[in-house]
Amino acid sequence: KQEVTQIPAALSVPEGENLVLNCSFTDSAIYNLQWFRQDPGKGLTSLLLIQSSQREQTSGRLNASLDKSSGRSTLYIAASQPGDSATYLCAVTVGSGGSNYKLTFGKGTLLTVNP
Amino acid sequence: DAGVIQSPRHEVTEMGQEVTLRCKPISGHDYLFWYRQTMMRGLELLIYFNNNVPIDDSGMPEDRFSAKMPNASFSTLKIQPSEPRDSAVYFCASSLQEPPNYGYTFGSGTRLTVV
Repeated sequence: KQEVTQIPAALSVPEGENLVLNCSFTDSAIYNLQWFRQDPGKGLTSLLLIQSSQREQTSGRLNASLDKSSGRSTLYIAASQPGDSATYLCAVTVGSGGSNYKLTFGKGTLLTVNP
Repeated sequence: DAGVIQSPRHEVTEMGQEVTLRCKPISGHDYLFWYRQTMMRGLELLIYFNNNVPIDDSGMPEDRFSAKMPNASFSTLKIQPSEPRDSAVYFCASSLQEPPNYGYTFGSGTRLTVV
């Protein structure tokens, strides 16, 4: 059974700092890994999608890396801003035969960026 | 596209009552997923459909939960009878055929409170 772990569970940083969020998964047979952002009381917003054949993806101040063999991914946020405060969720897609796929989530990292 | 649309946004009901949650996926998406989010357990997959056919309902907590997808543009998740422990945020998500290539899009969720 695939398990996804995110460390740390919570992180508080001053504005302007660069930071790294970590995600690990137990089964390396994934199709892709996706990072989401969730604001309080809101739905999930997709940030970055990394296919299993890729090593990293970048969008603006965000950079996500994937080391499939070791079961790890990191989300790097450069020059953090108070507006980056949210919960960041990591999720992996695994196949379960035929056309069947499952997305398994970690429990998230609650990020607070202080002005 | 308006994205994945869920209704209602909030639902408060008394224990024992029937609750129906609704979802309209993105047009053209072949996969539809229902997730439940709680503080204790995070995001859990309840059931998913491929081309309107339920593929895996192993995450449905018990017989009180049922889900249908009568057509490609509509799905319901029903709880009957509801219990206080069903209180959670319920998310619907959809994806294109072969989701490993395109990722997932989530709705804004339905916050269910059973009193």
